[in-house]
Amino acid sequence: DVKVTQSSRYLVKRTGEKVFLECVQDMDHENMFWYRQDPGLGLRLIYFSYDVKMKEKGDIPEGYSVSREKKERFSLILESASTNQTSMYLCASSLLRGPLLFGQGTRLTVV
Amino acid sequence: AQTVTQSQPEMSVQEAETVTLSCTYDTSESDYYLFWYKQPPSRQMILVIRQEAYKQQNATENRFSVNFQKAAKSFSLKISDSQLGDAAMYFCAYRSPLTGNQFYFGTGTSLTVIP
Repeated sequence: DVKVTQSSRYLVKRTGEKVFLECVQDMDHENMFWYRQDPGLGLRLIYFSYDVKMKEKGDIPEGYSVSREKKERFSLILESASTNQTSMYLCASSLLRGPLLFGQGTRLTVV
Repeated sequence: AQTVTQSQPEMSVQEAETVTLSCTYDTSESDYYLFWYKQPPSRQMILVIRQEAYKQQNATENRFSVNFQKAAKSFSLKISDSQLGDAAMYFCAYRSPLTGNQFYFGTGTSLTVIP
């Protein structure tokens, strides 16, 4: 069964911490994405990657960075976590012209 | 950038009845893809149905079907014989093959199924 796996379902971090959210897909997809989901705002794109070591900013990249050293893994990094980054984070992957396939989501709380 | 609008924040349907969720989008492209996703309370977003813009025939997946009106830029989802397990948040999404392969999502419609 093909899947996208996010390393944690729930995380609690302190303000100022460096936070890593990991995502792995086993479908050999070229494209990988990180979204943030907040009530009433839908899904907002943080970063996406269309190839190894390639990345593109999405709509809300401020305060985040990403890393894609291997095709199957796409990491989201919060350089210095802040309370306004408390949210649901969704990782997804896709082929060039296919649908997104999502991970189970990570609920991050920054205190 | 393309925009996707879901004008119904909440909908409800009686079990076994039919419900239609609406979605409109704004684009100047002629080639694109449209999707409906379902997010149950357990949170994992799953694909319900997809439609390629070049196909005139409306997509169907079991009890789920779409009404794709390209000229009107409308893409509604019809759920027939609604079941309790259909209760979820539904998101409409647009994929552009031109603008970096980005996806654009609506803000979602929360569907309640009444037993």
